[in-house]
Amino acid sequence: IMLTQSPATLSVTPGESISLSCRASQSISTNLHWYQQKPNESPRVLIKYASQSISGIPSRFSGSGSGTDFTLNINRVEPEDFSVYYCQQSNSWPLTFGSGTKLEIK
Amino acid sequence: QVQLTESGPGLVHPSETLSLTCTVSGFSLTGYSVYWVRQPSGKGLEWMGRMRYNGDTSYNSALKSRLSISRDTSKNQVFLKMNSLQTDDTGTYYCTRVPRGGYYFDYWGQGVMVTVSS
Repeated sequence: IMLTQSPATLSVTPGESISLSCRASQSISTNLHWYQQKPNESPRVLIKYASQSISGIPSRFSGSGSGTDFTLNINRVEPEDFSVYYCQQSNSWPLTFGSGTKLEIK
Repeated sequence: QVQLTESGPGLVHPSETLSLTCTVSGFSLTGYSVYWVRQPSGKGLEWMGRMRYNGDTSYNSALKSRLSISRDTSKNQVFLKMNSLQTDDTGTYYCTRVPRGGYYFDYWGQGVMVTVSS
């Protein structure tokens, strides 16, 4: 299953609220997870199963979607949020990731 | 607390075999599955294979012919071996944990950078 993330790069000002997109090549129900990766760090999971929160992750991160279209929302971007975001599907094997969206400071 | 730590050589010559070790703590390998994920330099993430809690393994078909994953539960270690390395295998290799009943990665190691070069 291919995951297409858009945009590839998003330039925003801290304090803005944004949405990142992940589109699957076929229906994956809600078997979609979101990760954040900061430079020179390992990824960390932000959202599981499309919309379920993860303990310890700030509440400004939320997810939505089902089927083929998914969205990661960040309410009022903080300076520490500028990084790369990946989606990952677990509906079928092999597990696959999107190519990522880089969130950068405008 | 849960920790995963990868170790292995930083440099591998083309056509040789890569051997990596993932040492875990804070959980049991008979209770949780460990997955390997790699990230070619400057690129995205690729799932490689897994060692399930019950000892079963499965692999990404794109790598299956070159890849082997095993474990030593007494040492809390999972091993990855991949042969016939080429330059496009250069990147960071992570071991990760998957929660019981889930298929997302809740804990990651710090990663080990592997360079394939002569």
